[in-house]
Amino acid sequence: DSGVTQTPKHLITATGQRVTLRCSPRSGDLSVYWYQQSLDQGLQFLIQYYNGEERAKGNILERFSAQQFPDLHSELNLSSLELGDSALYFCASSVLEGGKLFFGSGTQLSVL
Amino acid sequence: GESVGLHLPTLSVQEGDNSIINCAYSNSASDYFIWYKQESGKGPQFIIDIRSNMDKRQGQRVTVLLNKTVKHLSLQIAATQPGDSAVYFCAENINQAGTALIFGKGTTLSVSS
Repeated sequence: DSGVTQTPKHLITATGQRVTLRCSPRSGDLSVYWYQQSLDQGLQFLIQYYNGEERAKGNILERFSAQQFPDLHSELNLSSLELGDSALYFCASSVLEGGKLFFGSGTQLSVL
Repeated sequence: GESVGLHLPTLSVQEGDNSIINCAYSNSASDYFIWYKQESGKGPQFIIDIRSNMDKRQGQRVTVLLNKTVKHLSLQIAATQPGDSAVYFCAENINQAGTALIFGKGTTLSVSS
């Protein structure tokens, strides 16, 4: 157990809908990262927050947004969902920026 | 953009053999490298890391080698066990604000007994 908690584990929804994925980092970790994993693209970095502030942005679509709250948990919002958004979404946390990441078990999103 | 890649998508070995998983990276500015193991249905799990001021680091049954001259990273697993079967990813990072770990596509290791 990495100490990173993600909910829900599975999410099934329809095209055009909006969903929210939640992540609680390890106790004491200030940095939270979101990654998307699909079969053909591997692990793609989406966005990073550090102590509530956005610090790095990767290949995140404009339809996606995230935030980190004062209690350090983070949410990833995916809107106007398309079939191609179906993937595993991972949250990871770290004590320091640029250090090793500890990953949660992921949320499997299926858009039908 | 630049990315980390792996030489082989799959590797099959016999239990007890030593395994070597390779990774080529393209960004010469990368200074931190990590190997992760991902089992089916789980998130990536940290195995071992190495900074660019080192060329070798050993853990329990695993060794990471870094060759900065040819931008190559490898993971050696000694006495491979069936429980080592998983997908292995290398990842790199640059010590620079606004960057994050970039992952390669992964190598699937299959261990037969």
